[in-house]
Amino acid sequence: KQEVTQIPAALSVPEGENLVLNCSFTDSAIYNLQWFRQDPGKGLTSLLLIQSSQREQTSGRLNASLDKSSGRSTLYIAASQPGDSATYLCAVSLLTDSWGKLQFGAGTQVVVTP
Amino acid sequence: DAGVIQSPRHEVTEMGQEVTLRCKPISGHDYLFWYRQTMMRGLELLIYFNNNVPIDDSGMPEDRFSAKMPNASFSTLKIQPSEPRDSAVYFCASSYSRGDTATNEKLFFGSGTQLSVL
Repeated sequence: KQEVTQIPAALSVPEGENLVLNCSFTDSAIYNLQWFRQDPGKGLTSLLLIQSSQREQTSGRLNASLDKSSGRSTLYIAASQPGDSATYLCAVSLLTDSWGKLQFGAGTQVVVTP
Repeated sequence: DAGVIQSPRHEVTEMGQEVTLRCKPISGHDYLFWYRQTMMRGLELLIYFNNNVPIDDSGMPEDRFSAKMPNASFSTLKIQPSEPRDSAVYFCASSYSRGDTATNEKLFFGSGTQLSVL
């Protein structure tokens, strides 16, 4: 059974610092990996999607890397802002699973202080 | 596009009552998913549809849960009878087909329905 772990569970940084969020998964037979952002009382917003054949994806201040062989992904957020405060979840889609059956980590709650 | 629209945003009901959650996916998306989020179990896939047809309902916890998608722009998740342990946030999400571009494979989530069963 695929297990997805996110460390740390919570993180507080001053504005301007870079954020590093970690995600690990036990089954390397993944189809893709997504990073989501969840704001309180709201749904999830997909930030980046990395196909299993890719090593990284970038969007603005966000960069996500994927090392499938070691079962790890890292989300970097450069020059953090108070608006980056949210819970960040990673999710993997297995090759053998139903389409859309994402296995989610428990998330990292991020607070960026002004 | 307004995104995935769910209603109601909040639902409070008493044990034994029927609950119906509604979802309007993004126009053009041919996949629709129902997820449930709880503190204990995190996010879990309940059921998903492709072109209005249920494909995998293995995540539906019990026969008390049922889902329909009568057309491409509407889906319902029904719980009858509801129980306190059904209290959770229920999310609907939609996407294009698997195997398309990486952007099209992203799941787009609605804002969720917060269900409380007393």
